[in-house]
Amino acid sequence: QKEVEQDPGPLSVPEGAIVSLNCTYSNSAFQYFMWYRQYSRKGPELLMYTYSSGNKEDGRFTAQVDKSSKYISLFIRDSQPSDSATYLCAISATNKLIFGTGTLLAVQP
Amino acid sequence: GAGVSQSPSNKVTEKGKDVELRCDPISGHTALYWYRQSLGQGLEFLIYFQGNSAPDKSGLPSDRFSAERTGGSVSTLTIQRTQQEDSAVYLCASSPGSDRGGGYTFGSGTRLTVV
Repeated sequence: QKEVEQDPGPLSVPEGAIVSLNCTYSNSAFQYFMWYRQYSRKGPELLMYTYSSGNKEDGRFTAQVDKSSKYISLFIRDSQPSDSATYLCAISATNKLIFGTGTLLAVQP
Repeated sequence: GAGVSQSPSNKVTEKGKDVELRCDPISGHTALYWYRQSLGQGLEFLIYFQGNSAPDKSGLPSDRFSAERTGGSVSTLTIQRTQQEDSAVYLCASSPGSDRGGGYTFGSGTRLTVV
């Protein structure tokens, strides 16, 4: 079993839609969770960073962690074509981050 | 510089040749990481440097892979006797310290193709 599982998509939505991206993880000891966004031929950039369970909101983006079910989510409201990218969940482990495979999102104008 | 710089951006090499990939981290960042991203795969951890401490090499896939960091700054990832399965994007990241992931800055990567 992989430590972090993520549906690779691709996911295609119309502009203005609400997008839900999800990951599951296996180790209940994990406490720090991140979402990265990666545009084509670029490195990942940090989008959201959360500690333990709960919600964190930043503009149109909301990150949610449910430690009881080992489930992390990213919601994008009022999606824009500029949100088209690969979204990677990541979990902090000793000396490294463990990444999901990434979900390719396309927002159609 | 303002960000993490990696060179070359693209590299095509023949199977069996050695390659060197370079990473210039953000000035003052003590932690440096190498990851590999293959098609359809997430980022795979390779190696971690923190200051003058011994590096964490636990992610290196074989003894053909090695890395060094000179003077606590520039790092070089070397792949000897390249194989086709080494084809991937090699990403470098740096952070101010051994944080929990919130301080990472990634470079744009080196796209390696082994033919």
